[in-house]
Amino acid sequence: SQQGEEDPQALSIQEGENATMNCSYKTSINNLQWYRQNSGRGLVHLILIRSNEREKHSGRLRVTLDTSKKSSSLLITASRAADTASYFCATPLLNTGTASKLTFGTGTRLQVTL
Amino acid sequence: GAGVSQTPSNKVTEKGKYVELRCDPISGHTALYWYRQSLGQGPEFLIYFQGTGAADDSGLPNDRFFAVRPEGSVSTLKIQRTERGDSAVYLCASSSTGRTEAFFGQGTRLTVV
Repeated sequence: SQQGEEDPQALSIQEGENATMNCSYKTSINNLQWYRQNSGRGLVHLILIRSNEREKHSGRLRVTLDTSKKSSSLLITASRAADTASYFCATPLLNTGTASKLTFGTGTRLQVTL
Repeated sequence: GAGVSQTPSNKVTEKGKYVELRCDPISGHTALYWYRQSLGQGPEFLIYFQGTGAADDSGLPNDRFFAVRPEGSVSTLKIQRTERGDSAVYLCASSSTGRTEAFFGQGTRLTVV
């Protein structure tokens, strides 16, 4: 079963614009992770935010986490055509210690046009 | 190796046949995971190995699915009597002790005809 829901399901923007994707989840978490997937194959880990953090930056990525609303957002600034991909949020089970059995959301398909 | 390697990258098989999918994790990663991803969906967990043992196989859909990791490195996902509904991309991931970030392979696209 899917833990989270990403919103929107699809997003189309022009190069240079910012892209914001949202994720909602259902259960308590230790951390929340964002992954990118190109062409329906391997996923690449982008960023991890812990449950005691509210905001985190990595290059052009900014992630926020609101545990009271069980939601997270991923902002990609100054988007490029190479950012075109599907983006997923994922959460590990709370009781699995350091294991990273992940539950993924349904994904946002981002299209960046020139 | 430098990354998680999965073979084959594509597999077409006939309904009812047996298939094996292989995963070679990042060297030194003790945790290994199998996920299945259907079109338009996020990956869904199948099974998790810590070392050689299956620590959690709660995601395996039925007894036609089985996975092994005999030496704590390479893993094989085995599907018996394949059905058309088994068609999906099968993703393998590994992670190191104490870390929750997963490193994924490129997946095996299985098509059952």
